[in-house]
Amino acid sequence: DIQMTQSPSSLSASVGDRVTITCRASQSISRYLNWYQQKSGKAPKLLIYGASSLQSGVPSRFSGSGSGTDFTLTISSLQPEDFATYYCQQSYTTPLTFGGGTKVEIK
Amino acid sequence: EVQLVESGGGLVQPGGSLRLSCAASGFTFSNYWMTWVRQAPGKGLEWVANIKQSGSEKYYVDSVKGRFTISRDNAKNSLFLQMNSLRAEDTAVYYCARRIVGASDDAFDIWGRGTMVTVSS
Repeated sequence: DIQMTQSPSSLSASVGDRVTITCRASQSISRYLNWYQQKSGKAPKLLIYGASSLQSGVPSRFSGSGSGTDFTLTISSLQPEDFATYYCQQSYTTPLTFGGGTKVEIK
Repeated sequence: EVQLVESGGGLVQPGGSLRLSCAASGFTFSNYWMTWVRQAPGKGLEWVANIKQSGSEKYYVDSVKGRFTISRDNAKNSLFLQMNSLRAEDTAVYYCARRIVGASDDAFDIWGRGTMVTVSS
């Protein structure tokens, strides 16, 4: 199985900060990497697919990059509504696997 | 409005069975792969199973193989998860999600609100 490792597991940031979350795959997954946002008690929401494609309706302050085994999610200017947990997910092969999550909290 | 609504969750004893349903609306259900993803209390997301548009292909995470069965009824725009021999570690919120598959991408773009399954005596 492909293991997905996210770092950090949590971070504290202020509104307006630039935030970067990393995700590493245990083997190459090309660009089959997705990012989801989950707010407390809610379903996950797709932000980025194919490593860098922005899902329709998602603000442009979110961006993704990477290929192979190393990927990043960047929030260029953190907004109050962005405080949530973020998950990466590989769709290269089954079993489809998620990272452990990164909780973004208010500083 | 594109929507997925899960139902069928509840409290069940270890070894028991439960059947989850997911009602789809607002899109052509038969055109999409569908999936179940679960989340144990306070934990991360875990993919459970996928099913192809026609139902001809199904894939499962190892921990549920032989116990869970994913199925669909395209005429009724519905997805199902039959869960047998339930264990405490199956306790989770179960989400159904639509899977979009492109030339070089593959993601879950629409999610339901989830249904809670609790396995306990």
